Amino acid sequence: DAGVIQSPRHEVTEMGQEVTLRCKPISGHNSLFWYRQTMMRGLELLIYFNNNVPIDDSGMPEDRFSAKMPNASFSTLKIQPSEPRDSAVYFCASLLTDTQYFGPGTRLTVL
Amino acid sequence: DQQVKQNSPSLSVQEGRISILNCDYTNSMFDYFLWYKKYPAEGPTFLISISSIKDKNEDGRFTVFLNKSAKHLSLHIVPSQPGDSAVYFCAASAAGNNRKLIWGLGTSLAVNP
Repeated sequence: DAGVIQSPRHEVTEMGQEVTLRCKPISGHNSLFWYRQTMMRGLELLIYFNNNVPIDDSGMPEDRFSAKMPNASFSTLKIQPSEPRDSAVYFCASLLTDTQYFGPGTRLTVL
Repeated sequence: DQQVKQNSPSLSVQEGRISILNCDYTNSMFDYFLWYKKYPAEGPTFLISISSIKDKNEDGRFTVFLNKSAKHLSLHIVPSQPGDSAVYFCAASAAGNNRKLIWGLGTSLAVNP
């Protein structure tokens, strides 16, 4: 199994642009999580899905952030419009029983 | 409010010696605890876990100890190797909460040759 796949690995964009991060979870995993990691706040859970349904989006910072999971093998996290304070590493993880498995992350830089 | 606390941001240990990483939690509903290891430019990788019905779980060089009364857990690495140098995250979850993990801020371990 290839593990959790995220794309792109790096994204540099200008303030105001739309950014879309993508995630393919491990096949057979029923839950998917989006995290943001910054130096100041560490790993923050943004949103998670169970069987493609959003369960808890209380960590989504504001309306500029949205996430979708149209099917069991794909999820997106969109930021529109992006701001410099959104610069961080964004991780996707999928869950098997009690253990989350992480992708390599997308490093986002908003200029 | 940090429900999971790793009070030591960094730790330096000599190769071959024991590394002890500590984690405290405040929520008595937590019943499952995990340690993850993270190398730069990679996602966290699962290392070892422990259920609240146990007080110790061992996997090779890695042992996790849980003290429920003190709401404290620790990760022991024996013997430490230079390849163990990474950031270690403690995480906890509660049953019935879809296994949503609450994370500590991490401890950066440096194992010196």
